[in-house]
Amino acid sequence: DAMVIQNPRYQVTQFGKPVTLSCSQTLNHNVMYWYQQKSSQAPKLLFHYYDKDFNNEADTPDNFQSRRPNTSFCFLDIRSPGLGDTAMYLCATSIDGYSNQPQHFGDGTRLSIL
Amino acid sequence: AQSVTQPDIHITVSEGASLELRCNYSYGATPYLFWYVQSPGQGLQLLLKYFSGDTLVQGIKGFEAEFKRSQSSFNLRKPSVHWSDAAEYFCAVRGAAGNKLTFGGGTRVLVKP
Repeated sequence: DAMVIQNPRYQVTQFGKPVTLSCSQTLNHNVMYWYQQKSSQAPKLLFHYYDKDFNNEADTPDNFQSRRPNTSFCFLDIRSPGLGDTAMYLCATSIDGYSNQPQHFGDGTRLSIL
Repeated sequence: AQSVTQPDIHITVSEGASLELRCNYSYGATPYLFWYVQSPGQGLQLLLKYFSGDTLVQGIKGFEAEFKRSQSSFNLRKPSVHWSDAAEYFCAVRGAAGNKLTFGGGTRVLVKP
């Protein structure tokens, strides 16, 4: 089945140690999104790529970066994670941002900063 | 700016009983509306969506939702709840000319045997 796959499912890292989360998709969608979801909260959009065009949300900390080397893959890099970055990170895709097609989500990576 | 409110943080319902989850949105024009479900430790799964046309939309797992423009609401319903429906439910809105999906705060549903 076509899908959005996130790796790893669980990641534990130390305070200040860089970490990279991975997302791949077989849907051939143009847009890929990264969300942060803290416990008992709604997902919060960090940034998205429309093709190769990067779109950062105004309140996303500089500590969070992203790369999209090709259509299928997108990475979330946290340069110096703090304790407050402990959260579920969700990747999503959509065909484009201007149609009535929904976003498709992966199962998320649960990140714990110790 | 668009926004979504889900007034109920928690709802407990008995198995076999009906369920209704409330969602109110704020958006200047006709929005694109979605309901997603999230089981513990999982990503979000789309239940249904509304863009135009018939205001009563059917989704997966026996869910339906009704769009009421006059009330700015998009409530989710299920006639008979199963234990597997225990999860968190998110209503979301997207404007017609943008990528950004705005979520409500979510409603956690507990199902009693």
